[in-house]
Amino acid sequence: EIVLTQSPGTLSLSPGERATLSCRASQSVSSSYLAWYQQKPGQAPRLLIYGASSRATGIPDRFSGSGSGTDFTLTISRLEPEDFAVYYCQQYGSSPELTFGGGTKVEIK
Amino acid sequence: QVQLVQSGAEVKKPGSSVKVSCKASGGTFSSYAISWVRQAPGQGLEWMGGIIPIFGTANYAQKFQGRVTITADESTSTAYMELSSLRSEDTAVYYCASLPAWGQGTLVTVSS
Repeated sequence: EIVLTQSPGTLSLSPGERATLSCRASQSVSSSYLAWYQQKPGQAPRLLIYGASSRATGIPDRFSGSGSGTDFTLTISRLEPEDFAVYYCQQYGSSPELTFGGGTKVEIK
Repeated sequence: QVQLVQSGAEVKKPGSSVKVSCKASGGTFSSYAISWVRQAPGQGLEWMGGIIPIFGTANYAQKFQGRVTITADESTSTAYMELSSLRSEDTAVYYCASLPAWGQGTLVTVSS
């Protein structure tokens, strides 16, 4: 069973700053099957990145994903007020089984 | 792209069961995996299980084995998740997902 560990747990930043979120897997994950989600209070998760680095439809280009193997990163180049939220990495595949990281909260400093 | 609409909020007594539905539209229901994920208040996302309707066999997270049943009705493009022997710790928002689409979530409150 793959375990995804996200760090840091909380990131305190100001609008305009760069955010770097980490997701580490307990064993190698296919890059094709690593996604990032954003979740705001009271809302369902929203897909940002799939296949480790491909932006989902309608996602601004300030969001980017990178990484391979066991280490993946979500970068928000310049934080906008609407970007303060919780972010989850997720491993998925052709089966229904999903694995989530514990989440990183990006909060306003 | 598929859209998922879930049934409404439920309040249940400890020891009872709840069945949440998830109706799909706008896509090919049978061929893609439908997963169920829950989120307890203030907590992260937890996968419970899922099904690929065309195959019909569900698989479950070990934590929920024996307590959860996931089914799918291809004729109505609807998936179901039934959780039994409810306890207060099962209070959560339950989501269905057929990636990248997610349902809106169903709040299940377990309280005496």
